[in-house]
Parts: sequence; C-alpha cells; structure tokens
Amino acid sequence: AQSVTQLDSHVSVSEGTPVLLRCNYSSSYSPSLFWYVQHPNKGLQLLLKYTSAATLVKGINGFEAEFKKSETSFHLTKPSAHMSDAAEYFCVVSDNDYKLSFGAGTTVTVRA
Amino acid sequence: KAGVTQTPRYLIKTRGQQVTLSCSPISGHRSVSWYQQTPGQGLQFLFEYFSETQRNKGNFPGRFSGRQFSNSRSEMNVSTLELGDSALYLCASSRGTSDTQYFGPGTRLTVL
Repeated sequence: AQSVTQLDSHVSVSEGTPVLLRCNYSSSYSPSLFWYVQHPNKGLQLLLKYTSAATLVKGINGFEAEFKKSETSFHLTKPSAHMSDAAEYFCVVSDNDYKLSFGAGTTVTVRA
Repeated sequence: KAGVTQTPRYLIKTRGQQVTLSCSPISGHRSVSWYQQTPGQGLQFLFEYFSETQRNKGNFPGRFSGRQFSNSRSEMNVSTLELGDSALYLCASSRGTSDTQYFGPGTRLTVL
C-alpha cells in the first residue's frame, strides 16, 4: 500500500524568500507523484507531476520538485514566494490501480 | 477548453435526506473520480467511473453511490444523510484511468 506524509502542517515565509514543502512517500513500486494546490474555496490545481522520467520536475508558477528514491522524498520548492502562493498544498501518490492517496496538506502563509 | 464543472456549488440538507451531486468532465475525458474532503479526514477517494462502469471504490458505506452516463457526465448520490457527511465533494476527470486528474471546484454539502 502507498502513503504520503507531509512533514509540515503549516509553513510561513516572507514574500520574496524561498519556499520548501516536504513530502515523504511509501510505495511498493515505482510511484507517480503529484503536487496539487488548493486556494480557499476552490478545487485542486495540478502544480506538477513525476512519472519516472527526469527526477527534477518543473511545474507551473515557478514551482519545482525533486524525486529522491533513496530518501523516498518528493519535496516542493519555489525560489521566491509571492503573496498569491498562499494556499494549501497537497502531495499525492498514485497506486498501481491509479487511485490517488493524499497527504494531510501544508498550509502556506506568505508575509508581506 | 472548459474545465470540470460541478453543480450545485453549495447544498444544505437535513439528516435523513438524500442528495445528488453532478459532475461534467473536461471534453474528451472518459474517467471521473469522486473525493470527499473534510477537516478531520482530509481528502479521501470515493469511487471512479470509466466508460459508465465503476472501476474502483474507496472505503465508504453503501449510502454513497454513483453512476456515469454515456456522455461521461457523472452523478454521486448520498442517501440517509448524516451530520458527518458534511464535506466538500470534489470531482476529477482524466482522459483515461492512468492519466492526470483535473479537479472541479467542488460541491460544499452541509448537513444540519
């Protein structure tokens, strides 16, 4: 069975500083991994996905994530936070039957 | 291309009633998945339909059911509503079962 652990429930950064959201996964096979973002009262938007190609994945809005098999991690980063990045972020793993399992989410606050 | 649409966006029901939620997938997408999002349990998979057949089901009681029509539109039904069914119900569509899922804005159900 696969599972996802997001290591921080809340991250607070200043505008213009880097953002790091940590995610560890467990899976018995080579997984597909995703990051989704949810703004208040909105659905989930796909930021990026990893499917066993390049280990560094670039997404929308300047986000990128690095897949590290040895550490079973898929951390999300952005070099410079913007006020519009304030939202909840979900790390997601897809099992071999393509069902999605979600992490508990990380709420990002951006200070002016 | 229009995104995933869900209707209604908000619903208020009382215990014991039943409710039907609707989801229209992105044009050309044949797979529709449903998820329940609550503050306590996070995002949980309900079921997935592909070509009018339920392909996967999560761990929810039989009060939760769904169906998919020939045009790929999907409905989910919850009978005998309980207070704990209050949640944001998200629908996601994908081209096929192994493809990336794109989410709608959700239906916020409140059970009184």
